[in-house]
Amino acid sequence: QLQLQESGPGLVKPSETLSLTCTASGGSISSSSYYWGWIRQPPGKGLEWIGSIHYSGSTYYNPSLKSRVTISVDTSRNQFSLKLSSVTVADTAVYYCARHIPSSDWFDPWGQGTLVTVSS
Amino acid sequence: QSALTQPPSASGSPGQSVTISCTGTSSDVGGYNYVSWYQQHPGKAPKLLIYDVTKRPSGVPDRFSGSRSGNTASLTVSGLQAEDEADYYCSSYAGSNNRVIFGGGTKLTVL
Repeated sequence: QLQLQESGPGLVKPSETLSLTCTASGGSISSSSYYWGWIRQPPGKGLEWIGSIHYSGSTYYNPSLKSRVTISVDTSRNQFSLKLSSVTVADTAVYYCARHIPSSDWFDPWGQGTLVTVSS
Repeated sequence: QSALTQPPSASGSPGQSVTISCTGTSSDVGGYNYVSWYQQHPGKAPKLLIYDVTKRPSGVPDRFSGSRSGNTASLTVSGLQAEDEADYYCSSYAGSNNRVIFGGGTKLTVL
């Protein structure tokens, strides 16, 4: 069945750009039925949706993060990626990727998550 | 767009039932049939429990059920088991601009 795996640096300096990639296995991201999303969770806190992308490249983002977020897709590698610019300590979180069902906006399955710490 | 409101904690004894609420507005929970619930054990990724307010994915026990009244959605866990001790999050569609919002989470303790 579909599995998702996040990868990328675990430490990013303030003001720099956070970059993560999600690799799908056991299924293709080139499905017209799904979007592919990023969600984050600061330590000890709740979940926050960051944004989602369709394999066609269509995106939508959380308005509160939109100015700093770019999500892209690479269908040849069955991957999609997140870039978050001008990070601060407030961006320290576990970042999850997940399949996003756009017809009613739920996420399943999720990747295991990766902790990104923003620190100098 | 504010997060949905959940009680920070809930508890129950094995075999009992517990209900967790998720309060929003007519622009999210009350306006669309697009409420979902997730279970998260410590150090693990969230797992989908309920979608479209009341629907259960295959593999989720029927001890978990969802409902909604007005702007408040609820998750009921019946026949509590020790393995149900986890954090629970609700989520809702919030319109074409905000799209997806989550609740702050509820920590369920099985006494």
